[in-house]
Amino acid sequence: DSGVTQTPKHLITATGQRVTLRCSPRSGDLSVYWYQQSLDQGLQFLIQYYNGEERAKGNILERFSAQQFPDLHSELNLSSLELGDSALYFCASSVAQGNTEAFFGQGTRLTVV
Amino acid sequence: AQSVAQPEDQVNVAEGNPLTVKCTYSVSGNPYLFWYVQYPNRGLQFLLKYITGDNLVKGSYGFEAEFNKSQTSFHLKKPSALVSDSALYFCAVSPNTGFQKLVFGTGTRLLVSP
Repeated sequence: DSGVTQTPKHLITATGQRVTLRCSPRSGDLSVYWYQQSLDQGLQFLIQYYNGEERAKGNILERFSAQQFPDLHSELNLSSLELGDSALYFCASSVAQGNTEAFFGQGTRLTVV
Repeated sequence: AQSVAQPEDQVNVAEGNPLTVKCTYSVSGNPYLFWYVQYPNRGLQFLLKYITGDNLVKGSYGFEAEFNKSQTSFHLKKPSALVSDSALYFCAVSPNTGFQKLVFGTGTRLLVSP
């Protein structure tokens, strides 16, 4: 168990809908990262927050947004969902930035039908 | 921009034999390099990292990796494979900028046969 908790584990929703994925980082970790894993794109970095502030942005669509709250948990909001958004979404956390390893949650499997 | 290549989709090895999973990278400046393993229906588990120092890095579960700057490689190795090592292995790189925006390779499936 990595100590990173993601909810829900599975999510099935229709196209056009909006969902929120939640992540609780390991105790003491200030950095939270979101990744998307799909068969055609592999593992893609979406966004990073550090202590509540956005620090790095990757291939995140405009329909997607995220935030990190004062208690350090993070939420990834996906809106106007399309079939191609079906993927495994991982949250990871680390103590700081830079050369510290990240610990991954078990992911949320999103299926858009 | 940084990138990682894992040239083999799958590596097959017999239990007890040594294994190597290959990784090459491209990054500006000095890289931070990582190996992660993913078991079915699980998240990624950290195996080892190279930041600086000794080119041979030892990690979890008996794995090690060798950093070769001239060949821009970071191959994962284990002297004696176990059936339980069968999983999906990802190499990742982060530029030495202070932000850990990991770029992952496409993954290599390791299959260890009894």
